[in-house]
Amino acid sequence: GQNIDQPTEMTATEGAIVQINCTYQTSGFNGLFWYQQHAGEAPTFLSYNVLDGLEEKGRFSSFLSRSKGYSYLLLKELQMKDSASYLCAVIDSNYQLIWGAGTKLIIKP
Amino acid sequence: DVKVTQSSRYLVKRTGEKVFLECVQDMDHENMFWYRQDPGLGLRLIYFSYDVKMKEKGDIPEGYSVSREKKERFSLILESASTNQTSMYLCASSFGQGATYNEQFFGPGTRLTVL
Repeated sequence: GQNIDQPTEMTATEGAIVQINCTYQTSGFNGLFWYQQHAGEAPTFLSYNVLDGLEEKGRFSSFLSRSKGYSYLLLKELQMKDSASYLCAVIDSNYQLIWGAGTKLIIKP
Repeated sequence: DVKVTQSSRYLVKRTGEKVFLECVQDMDHENMFWYRQDPGLGLRLIYFSYDVKMKEKGDIPEGYSVSREKKERFSLILESASTNQTSMYLCASSFGQGATYNEQFFGPGTRLTVL
């Protein structure tokens, strides 16, 4: 079966750094997305990785290792507004998008 | 800015009622999707469409149907609502027919309660 694993919940402190992991077991791989979803709101796109390595976008970076079936989202200089759920999604060999259950990130002052 | 709108933010219906959820996007996207989102589960795809009049079943199409008569509008229909269809329903759209690698733009969601 196809599976995407993310921690259910994480807590971090304002100003700190947090890494949210995503591991996947899918039938093939054609790319991986990270989305942010604030409570009661729509998911919004953060990043897309298809090649191994780190992609940086301001305070947010996303890393991919295809051989390990692993990605992480790195958030630096955390702000209270970063409190949200972070969704990992993988494109499989049939070009279908498989979604993880999401990681709820709680930022404390 | 891409905008995806959904007809209602909150909806309460009774078991057995026919329910229509409307989604409209204003960026001429070819692809439109309907998901449901439940606590502890990832987004689950109900139906999708890559073109007008075209529809494809997703992972959980049972109990649902869709209609796409115009490019900008994708409707989700619950023929006879049941309590297990109580959920958050999210509509999304994306550019490039069938291009799964393009980001999806989501509507604000409709929280449907079936009593």
